[in-house]
Amino acid sequence: RKEVEQDPGPFNVPEGATVAFNCTYSNSASQSFFWYRQDCRKEPKLLMSVYSSGNEDGRFTAQLNRASQYISLLIRDSKLSDSATYLCVVNKGTDKLIFGTGTRLQVFP
Amino acid sequence: DAGVIQSPRHEVTEMGQEVTLRCKPISGHNSLFWYRQTMMRGLELLIYFNNNVPIDDSGMPEDRFSAKMPNASFSTLKIQPSEPRDSAVYFCASRGLAGGFEQFFGPGTRLTVL
Repeated sequence: RKEVEQDPGPFNVPEGATVAFNCTYSNSASQSFFWYRQDCRKEPKLLMSVYSSGNEDGRFTAQLNRASQYISLLIRDSKLSDSATYLCVVNKGTDKLIFGTGTRLQVFP
Repeated sequence: DAGVIQSPRHEVTEMGQEVTLRCKPISGHNSLFWYRQTMMRGLELLIYFNNNVPIDDSGMPEDRFSAKMPNASFSTLKIQPSEPRDSAVYFCASRGLAGGFEQFFGPGTRLTVL
């Protein structure tokens, strides 16, 4: 079983829609959680960290459920520019980040 | 500010040839990571360095792969001899002490081994 699992998608949604991605992790010792965004043929970039209390950054909301070992990302009012692959990332308190294989989002007009 | 710099951006080579990928981390960052990304396996950590010292190379696929970091501003990943299954995008990332766990990625080297 992979340490971080995501639905690969693609999620095809119209502009203005709300879309949610989920991610599960297998190691209960995981301590820090992140969402990275990767545009086509580009490098991954940090989108946001995920805190136990949940956190919001504009149209993006991230939530963590430690009991279920589950992380989510909600995007409201989707824009064409949100089209990308979203990588769920976990850290176990070491220097290493464990990346999921990503969920692809395509927003259409 | 300059981000992580990688060269070459694209490399096409024939099976059996030696390939050297280069990375310049962000100035002042003390950790450097080499990743490989494929459609099938996603982003995999190959090796990382702290303060120029290799810490964990458990992700290096086999002896054909080697990495060095002779100083704080330069690292190489070498594949010798290369094989078609090495075809992938290779990313270098760096991280500073003050940035928590955030890693900053370079643009990657797209390697094709024929």
